[in-house]
Amino acid sequence: SYVLTQPPSVSVAPGKTASISCGGNNIATKSVHWYQQKPGQAPVLVIYYDKDRPSRIPERFSGSNSGNTATLTISRVEAGDEADYYCQVWDNSSDHPNWVFGGGTKLTVL
Amino acid sequence: QVQLVESGGGVVQPGGSLRVSCAASGFALRNYAMHWVRQAPGKGLEWVAFIRDDGSNKYYVDSVKGRFTISRDNSKNTLFLQMSSLRPEDTAVYYCAKSQGSDGGNSVYFDYWGRGTQVTVSS
Repeated sequence: SYVLTQPPSVSVAPGKTASISCGGNNIATKSVHWYQQKPGQAPVLVIYYDKDRPSRIPERFSGSNSGNTATLTISRVEAGDEADYYCQVWDNSSDHPNWVFGGGTKLTVL
Repeated sequence: QVQLVESGGGVVQPGGSLRVSCAASGFALRNYAMHWVRQAPGKGLEWVAFIRDDGSNKYYVDSVKGRFTISRDNSKNTLFLQMSSLRPEDTAVYYCAKSQGSDGGNSVYFDYWGRGTQVTVSS
């Protein structure tokens, strides 16, 4: 089955830019979706189809996907962005669809 | 606004059974596929089960096949997950998640999530 690899943690100072990677074999051929999960809360969709944002998500959140790596970028990071972030793809390479998550990245705002 | 509210979690012994539910509001459940996703303590997200809009197609992660059954009652705007032969490794928060599509071919991401219900399998 398809595997997504994320760094366990990323740290960034307030006001700076955070980049969270999501690696997968030829991931550029798939659509990547990103979720934010704050402690004790349900996940929230922040990016879908590589780079689209739900209307309720700030423009500071953006996404890209190329080669073997997709990236979630958070500009002008705020303390409230501290959370776990998960990438996800839909994989149809086996006998039925699978919805695959990366292991998650904990974003720490210094 | 879209709301998903899970219920029915609890503590169950290994080998036991439990049914969790998800009450949906703010959208027409009959038009969308739905999922269950779980999160073990301190771990990441794991997709568990899928059901298309009319209930005619269902898919499961290999680790729960033959033990879990997803179902839905569109007339009551409710999604279910019947869990049997439960194991300690099934201990997790179980989230109900709405798909943005209607079937397995177009349901590629989860646009809304419930707050989850805790299932603990322990003797």
